[in-house]
Amino acid sequence: NAGVTQTPKFQVLKTGQSMTLQCAQDMNHEYMSWYRQDPGMGLRLIHYSVGAGITDQGEVPNGYNVSRSTTEDFPLRLLSAAPSQTSVYFCASSYRLASSYEQYFGPGTRLTVT
Amino acid sequence: RKEVEQDPGPFNVPEGATVAFNCTYSNSASQSFFWYRQDCRKEPKLLMSVYSSGNEDGRFTAQLNRASQYISLLIRDSKLSDSATYLCVVNRPQAGTALIFGKGTTLSVSS
Repeated sequence: NAGVTQTPKFQVLKTGQSMTLQCAQDMNHEYMSWYRQDPGMGLRLIHYSVGAGITDQGEVPNGYNVSRSTTEDFPLRLLSAAPSQTSVYFCASSYRLASSYEQYFGPGTRLTVT
Repeated sequence: RKEVEQDPGPFNVPEGATVAFNCTYSNSASQSFFWYRQDCRKEPKLLMSVYSSGNEDGRFTAQLNRASQYISLLIRDSKLSDSATYLCVVNRPQAGTALIFGKGTTLSVSS
């Protein structure tokens, strides 16, 4: 059971380049989310999904796209990278038990845009 | 008002000390409350959920006051290994299981 995996671990992009951050989970979790974490800031929600084929915007969605074609995978696409997107990106997944639920996070992708 | 507010610290305490962290949240529709722990440059991990009746897990005690929208975490008998950033977290209503994070409170325990 690998849990939540993210690739790559590190990435450097030039302004204007596009790329996809990969996220996969093997726990059959319905819910998946993407967050970014900047120095001195809390984690902020970019996009989330409540099941295959269903995605929605979070707090800071601009410049990012997502899709959820399978339960396992939830890739995050940067359309045209900007220096403001330099951040650490975390993917998370969860199931729901009664009124409480735990999110499992991947190890993160550290992205630098120059 | 920020959605989840925490004192950023840092809190520097000796081993064996008792330390308390406080947090307030703004969305009264939030129904689930957590403390997560984050070690330097690592992913957040759930420390404990927080229930209205208060709950304890070993040296850690969490309290919730829904009326005042206030959450607390008490750590007794601090260990060196408790050094980390503690994140106060609430669920984001109507967004699946997505969460709203505070900026975190940094704890450093020294010998």
